[in-house]
Amino acid sequence: QLQLQESGSGLVKPSQTLSLTCAVSGASIGSGAFSWSWMRQPPGKGLEWIGFLYQGGSTYINPSLKSRVTMSVDRSKNHFSLNLSSVTAADTAVYFCARDEGYNYSPFNIWGQGTLVTVSS
Amino acid sequence: QSVLSQSPSASGTPGQRVTISCSGSTSNIGSNTVHWYQQLPGTAPKLLIYSNDQRPSGVPDRFSGSKSGTSASLAISGLQSDDEADYYCAAWDDSLSYVFGTGTKVTVL
Repeated sequence: QLQLQESGSGLVKPSQTLSLTCAVSGASIGSGAFSWSWMRQPPGKGLEWIGFLYQGGSTYINPSLKSRVTMSVDRSKNHFSLNLSSVTAADTAVYFCARDEGYNYSPFNIWGQGTLVTVSS
Repeated sequence: QSVLSQSPSASGTPGQRVTISCSGSTSNIGSNTVHWYQQLPGTAPKLLIYSNDQRPSGVPDRFSGSKSGTSASLAISGLQSDDEADYYCAAWDDSLSYVFGTGTKVTVL
């Protein structure tokens, strides 16, 4: 059974870079035509899609975050990663990784449990 | 920032039917299918409805979805106490962004 698990720095200073990894277990990140996404949810607020990537490395990023986001995949470690640069308090959120169902415009049916990242000095 | 609009809250007594609406535009709901997610407190979202009105395996048929034009609805019939959660609509936009609704908190009275 496919499972996703986020990990990374829980506390990041303003202006620094937030780095998270999503470990994939129960399946190979290199198999199938799935896309792998990051979402976030500020405390008490709604969900925001950050971007997704394919196992080949191509990425699609939310235009509002594009200048600060880098996403990558490491098939040898079966995980994918998110870097968000120049963070501010507005980037404080629970960050989720997720996988879609593998077809165009499909929903996200597999989610990690989420990890809270706080931006504070 | 949310592109799809939802009413902030909805409520009902056990057994009642509750309907949640979601409003978008021609580039998202008007062009692509709608998904609905249920988020229980402190947990990750769970896919509830996909392709406007399809339920994943394991989702009770008390949950139903529909779409018309640039709007969509989620109905919960036979409301139960464990339906108390936040519900989000979502859709792919033609710009290849995934957009969520503002979320609706459902309270069981």
